[in-house]
Amino acid sequence: NAGVTQTPKFRILKIGQSMTLQCTQDMNHNYMYWYRQDPGMGLKLIYYSVGAGITDKGEVPNGYNVSRSTTEDFPLRLELAAPSQTSVYFCASRATGESYEQYFGPGTRLTVT
Amino acid sequence: ELKVEQNPLFLSMQEGKNYTIYCNYSTTSDRLYWYRQDPGKSLESLFVLLSNGAVKQEGRLMASLDTKARLSTLHITAAVHDLSATYFCAVEMYSGGGADGLTFGKGTHLIIQP
Repeated sequence: NAGVTQTPKFRILKIGQSMTLQCTQDMNHNYMYWYRQDPGMGLKLIYYSVGAGITDKGEVPNGYNVSRSTTEDFPLRLELAAPSQTSVYFCASRATGESYEQYFGPGTRLTVT
Repeated sequence: ELKVEQNPLFLSMQEGKNYTIYCNYSTTSDRLYWYRQDPGKSLESLFVLLSNGAVKQEGRLMASLDTKARLSTLHITAAVHDLSATYFCAVEMYSGGGADGLTFGKGTHLIIQP
């Protein structure tokens, strides 16, 4: 049981490039989330999904896209990367119900130059 | 818009002392979370508080929730160096469609000195 895994761990992008951050969970959780964490700050919600085929915007969705074709995977797509997207990205998942916590992946550190 | 405010944002304390971190939030919620983050690492869940008056303790850490005051506290008893980390509180919004994600405070950077 690996929990929530993310790839890559680190990435440097040039301005205008695109990439996909991968997130997979093996706990059969319906809920999945993408957050970003800027230096010295708390996490901010980018997108979330309550199940396969269903996604919704969080607080800071601009410049990102997501898809959820399976329960296990929730990739985050960056189109036309900008320096403002330099951040650490965390994926999380949660079981259905009102009493369950979110489990976080190890994070992807992205630098856009 | 939900706002979550922590204070203090930075705390330097000596081993053996007690202290409290405060977390205020702006809208009604019955679910509050405390996380620990070490430098360069992911978030580690400490407590999930689900109802008014909830109190949970683990070792030298104790968390409580007052939903009427929209306030949670994280109390540290007889601090030790290993507790040095950044502590986040987060509030979950829960709509008819499900759990809509967490709104985090900015974090409390805690340094415990010998």
